[in-house]
Order: sequence, then C-alpha cells, then structure tokens
Amino acid sequence: QKEVEQNSGPLSVPEGAIASLNCTYSDRGSQSFFWYRQYSGKSPELIMFIYSNGDKEDGRFTAQLNKASQYVSLLIRDSQPSDSATYLCAASAVSNSGYALNFGKGTSLLVTP
Amino acid sequence: ETGVTQTPRHLVMGMTNKKSLKCEQHLGHNAMYWYKQSAKKPLELMFVYNFKEQTENNSVPSRFSPECPNSSHLFLHLHTLQPEDSALYLCASSQDPPQPSNEQFFGPGTRLTVL
Repeated sequence: QKEVEQNSGPLSVPEGAIASLNCTYSDRGSQSFFWYRQYSGKSPELIMFIYSNGDKEDGRFTAQLNKASQYVSLLIRDSQPSDSATYLCAASAVSNSGYALNFGKGTSLLVTP
Repeated sequence: ETGVTQTPRHLVMGMTNKKSLKCEQHLGHNAMYWYKQSAKKPLELMFVYNFKEQTENNSVPSRFSPECPNSSHLFLHLHTLQPEDSALYLCASSQDPPQPSNEQFFGPGTRLTVL
C-alpha cells in the first residue's frame, strides 16, 4: 500500500508567521514530490515540486525533502490570509504502466489576520 | 486557467441515468488521468491513459467507463451509479515519459451528485 500521510489540521497561524506543513510517504520508490494548494470548491494547483534531498526555495515557499526519513515539508513564510487553503502532498509513483501521483488527504491551513 | 477544461461543472443524476463527463486539455500533453475526490479522503486515482492507451485502472467499478479517443480528450461514462459515488471528479494531464519535474495540471472538476 503506497500511502502519503498528512495531518488534516486545521493548522492555524497568525498573519506574518511561518506555516509548516508536513508529509510522510511509504513508497521508497517515489522520486518526486509535489505540493498542491486547493481552495474550497476549486481544483488543486501546483505550488512546488522537489526531487533532491535538501531545501528548495521559491518566493515565500520552501520545500524540504529527506528521503532517508521519507519526509517532505512545506514552509510558508510571511503567511497571508490568502494562503488559507488545503495543501495536498503528492508522491510520484512510476510503474510499468507509466506515471501517477499518490496524494495525501491534505492539511487545512488557516491564516488569521 | 490551467489549460484543462471539464464539462459539465455540476451534475445531478439519478441512479438509473446514464451521463458522461468530458475533459479536454490544450497543453499538448500525452497522458491524462481521472481522479475522484470525496470528502475526508485523499484524491483517488481512477484511470490513467498514456498516448490514448489505458495503462491504469485502480479497481474502479464497471459502472465507470473511461474513453480516450485522442490525446486531447478524455471521457468518463457513468451508468447506474450509487449515492456513494457522489464526489468531485477531477481530470488531469501531464507530459509522458515521466520526468522528475512532470507536474499534473488539473481541470476545474465536475461536482457529481447521485440521488
């Protein structure tokens, strides 16, 4: 069973603070990891992907990957109320049939003014 | 807009009805996917098509029937559904063969309610 685990939250942080979202995965064969943001009633949109151990920064967002611990995280600096959404972690699953993503249930983030 | 469109956006159907969901991508991708998103559950992969060939079927009940006439269009035919099939159905596309950075682009989804 290839699982991606996330704390469902809600995670509440004040505006301007750092939000830390965490994810663990069970499939050691996963090579790439994606963070999607999903607003209520909308479809997921990609924030970042990461496939090398370490940190990857893009604006206010930093993704962190530790393959030994099978752990992925997303840091959001200077959190804004507009960041309030559900954040989905996904791990790639490459097989003979191609390529698909295993998604976690998502973490609900609430940024309070 | 992600370049992936879905119609209809909302659908209410009875258990005896037959309906179809449509997905179209304008990104030049050659892989397309159907996902089901239910409340409190992760996105569930239903079907994968690569180069119009179905390569994945995650034990989906036969009342869901996919069709991929070309690499830009994907359909999900529905018949004799159950109330527990009510969910958001998302279509996605990506480029294949897989690269580490291949992201999937999602359509807006079809909110399906089965009465």
